[in-house]
Amino acid sequence: RKEVEQDPGPFNVPEGATVAFNCTYSNSASQSFFWYRQDCRKEPKLLMSVYSSGNEDGRFTAQLNRASQYISLLIRDSKLSDSATYLCVVIEWEEYGNKLVFGAGTILRVKS
Amino acid sequence: DTGVSQNPRHKITKRGQNVTFRCDPISEHNRLYWYRQTLGQGPEFLTYFQNEAQLEKSRLLSDRFSAERPKGSFSTLEIQRTEQGDSAMYLCASRSTGTLTDTQYFGPGTRLTVL
Repeated sequence: RKEVEQDPGPFNVPEGATVAFNCTYSNSASQSFFWYRQDCRKEPKLLMSVYSSGNEDGRFTAQLNRASQYISLLIRDSKLSDSATYLCVVIEWEEYGNKLVFGAGTILRVKS
Repeated sequence: DTGVSQNPRHKITKRGQNVTFRCDPISEHNRLYWYRQTLGQGPEFLTYFQNEAQLEKSRLLSDRFSAERPKGSFSTLEIQRTEQGDSAMYLCASRSTGTLTDTQYFGPGTRLTVL
């Protein structure tokens, strides 16, 4: 079983739609969670951190459910520019520090 | 532009050749990470440095791979005797342990194609 699992999609949605992605993680000791966005042939860029209390940044809302070990990302009022791959990321704490463990990503295509 | 730079951006090589990539992190960042990403997958951790010390290496990092960060600033990743399976995007990221955030900042990557 992969450490971080995501539905690869693609999710094809019209402009203005609301879309949600889920991600599950296997390590119950994980403490920090993020969503990164990656455009085609570009590097990943931090979209937002995910907190237990949930957090919102404009049209984007992230939620964490520790009991079920899943993370969600909700995008409201989708824009064409939201088309990208969304990577779910979990921090794995090691003896000497931490490393990011990425899911394979969920592809979003927003169409006019 | 995150401030992390990588060179070259693209590298095409023949199987069996050696290649070396360079990463220049954000100047005040003491942690530097290398990841590899293949098509349709998320980045996979390879190794990381705190200053000049290499603290962890993934099992993905075979003995053909070596990374250095001699002065605690830039880092190099060398692949010896390249194989077609080494074709991937090699990403470098950096962060500072002096902040409360775990955020890593990625460079643009080096895309390696082994023919």
